[in-house]
Amino acid sequence: SQKIEQNSEALNIQEGKTATLTCNYTNYSPAYLQWYRQDPGRGPVFLLLIRENEKEKRKERLKVTFDTTLKQSLFHITASQPADSATYLCALDDNTDKLIFGTGTRLQVFP
Amino acid sequence: GAGVSQSPRYKVAKRGQDVALRCDPISGHVSLFWYQQALGQGPEFLTYFQNEAQLDKSGLPSDRFFAERPEGSVSTLKIQRTQQEDSAVYLCASSLGLLSYEQYFGPGTRLTVT
Repeated sequence: SQKIEQNSEALNIQEGKTATLTCNYTNYSPAYLQWYRQDPGRGPVFLLLIRENEKEKRKERLKVTFDTTLKQSLFHITASQPADSATYLCALDDNTDKLIFGTGTRLQVFP
Repeated sequence: GAGVSQSPRYKVAKRGQDVALRCDPISGHVSLFWYQQALGQGPEFLTYFQNEAQLDKSGLPSDRFFAERPEGSVSTLKIQRTQQEDSAVYLCASSLGLLSYEQYFGPGTRLTVT
């Protein structure tokens, strides 16, 4: 079955820097990959979706890349702000409509 | 418009009690998903509906777990004879379906079994 690996250690960066989070998967390449943000006590919030035939997708300060050869997605937040502090979850399809989520990486942006 | 709502937000149950968790999806969303999230983990898939049809229940941990969506909108996740290992946050999500893949999550119900 598909397995997703995200860095379980928290990522601490200074405000204004670019945060880069990694998502690796182990088996077949999914048709699409999604990134979500989750704040404590809340449900995940959808951020970006990238399809297998897309190399890169951008939305405001967010950028996602998808490398099916490396079986990896990178999620970048440029000009990071303390308000970006949250847990970021990578999710991909299981060749069905359901999503498999990684454990998430906690990002802390300090002033 | 209104997002996905879930009730109750918090539920404390004694071991052996039955509980029912409710999910109100976004109006018009065809697909509805239930996930279980343990502390420090990502959401884990439980079951999935397309309209009123339960298309996948492979993630339900035991036959004590039962979900329904009788009219294709509101859904209920029922857990019978709760056990301590059932303690978790239960998340509901909905999506437009029909090749629209992003999911919209509710705030979750935190279940604590004592």
